[in-house]
Amino acid sequence: QQPVQSPQAVILREGEDAVINCSSSKALYSVHWYRQKHGEAPVFLMILLKGGEQKGHEKISASFNEKKQQSSLYLTASQLSYSGTYFCGSLLKTGANNLFFGTGTRLTVIP
Amino acid sequence: EAQVTQNPRYLITVTGKKLTVTCSQNMNHEYMSWYRQDPGLGLRQIYYSMNVEVTDKGDVPEGYKVSRKEKRNFPLILESPSPNQTSLYFCASSSSLRSEQYFGPGTRLTVT
Repeated sequence: QQPVQSPQAVILREGEDAVINCSSSKALYSVHWYRQKHGEAPVFLMILLKGGEQKGHEKISASFNEKKQQSSLYLTASQLSYSGTYFCGSLLKTGANNLFFGTGTRLTVIP
Repeated sequence: EAQVTQNPRYLITVTGKKLTVTCSQNMNHEYMSWYRQDPGLGLRQIYYSMNVEVTDKGDVPEGYKVSRKEKRNFPLILESPSPNQTSLYFCASSSSLRSEQYFGPGTRLTVT
C-alpha cells in the first residue's frame, strides 16, 4: 500500500527543473507532500484533496490525477535550498486512517 | 510556539530492556502518530491515534505499544526491544487526517 516514487534520486544544477512522481496501486483520497532536509524532521509542503487539483508553494507545485492514482511534484528554477528528500504520502479511499508514505526521492541541487 | 516534542532524542539500549519514548504536542491536535524511518524504506507508520483512548495499528506495529490517555501525549513503548528496532523514530500530530502533520525532531534509537 506504500506509494511508489520516482526517481529515487536526482541531481540538478541551480535553475534547472525537476519532476517527482508518486503513484499508487489503490484509489487515493488525497496526496500529501513533505520535504526532509538531512538530519531534520519532515516538513509539510502541500496536500491535494481533489482529483485535478493543482497547488503551488514558492516555485514548487503539484498536481493530482485521481483517475490515474498519481501525483507529481514540480520544482522549477531549483535553488540550493530545495535539496533534501521528498516524500509523498497517500490517504486511501478505503476509509483507512493510515497515511502511507513513499520511500522518498533524494534531490540534490548543486551550484 | 507550536511544536511537537520527543524525548529522548538519542537512546542506546540493550535487547530486552523496556523503554518509552515520549511525545507531546501543544496544538490541541486530535490526530497523532508514530513513524519509523529506515534507509531506503521511507517513513512507515507504527501506530496512530484519532483521539484520546482511540488508537490503531499502522503498517509496522509489531513489537510496539502506544497509549493516548491525554490529548497532548502519545508515548511509544517498546516492551522488549530487539536490534531490528534500531531506527529513527518520529512522532507527528495534526488537527485531522486531512491536514498538515507536524513532526517532532526525531528519536534515534540503537538496540544492541
